[in-house]
Amino acid sequence: GAVVSQHPSWVICKSGTSVKIECRSLDFQATTMFWYRQFPKQSLMLMATSNEGSKATYEQGVEKDKFLINHASLTLSTLTVTSAHPEDSSFYICSARAPLGTGPGQPQHFGDGTRLSIL
Amino acid sequence: GEDVEQSLFLSVREGDSSVINCTYTDSSSTYLYWYKQEPGAGLQLLTYIFSNMDMKQDQRLTVLLNKKDKHLSLRIADTQTGDSAIYFCAESIKGTYKYIFGTGTRLKVLA
Repeated sequence: GAVVSQHPSWVICKSGTSVKIECRSLDFQATTMFWYRQFPKQSLMLMATSNEGSKATYEQGVEKDKFLINHASLTLSTLTVTSAHPEDSSFYICSARAPLGTGPGQPQHFGDGTRLSIL
Repeated sequence: GEDVEQSLFLSVREGDSSVINCTYTDSSSTYLYWYKQEPGAGLQLLTYIFSNMDMKQDQRLTVLLNKKDKHLSLRIADTQTGDSAIYFCAESIKGTYKYIFGTGTRLKVLA
């Protein structure tokens, strides 16, 4: 149980392109999902908290207009990197918070990440 | 501040025990977690401990928590080559659903 699917796993595109990444909770409903960014050999940096049916909450320093988040259903959140540039190249990971009664403190379950390379 | 520190690298021989350490500064955390990340993949939840516990054992994994020193450790018994990965501790921030992740420890198991 508690499977989170992230798609695509790898994207290579030209500078100026917008890229959409999907995060799906396959076997549970997630009112809260999270988007992280990870640089090589570094820890995860929380970008934003995605709440179903409402606006995402962004961490300080993360551009809302650059990283658009939509959590339209209880099983899907999307991150769109708009007008991507080489400095946006990174490993993006999503997680979904487990529902009540399925784990201590409702732990986060993670997708396998998306490697984004902007040329 | 809210910094979670881990040693960067640990190398052990197959069959030995591994101990990965984590120190944190936010004493109000309710749960602390250990996650495993294999190359190019997301994070896999390994185990957790509630903040009012001192120890938790789960098969080959033992978690120790010293709240006074804000120190958390993960012991892996009979370490196997498949255990080679990066291990992250994470603390949940009280009143939110957010985590603060540690800096990560790269475990290398030598055959």
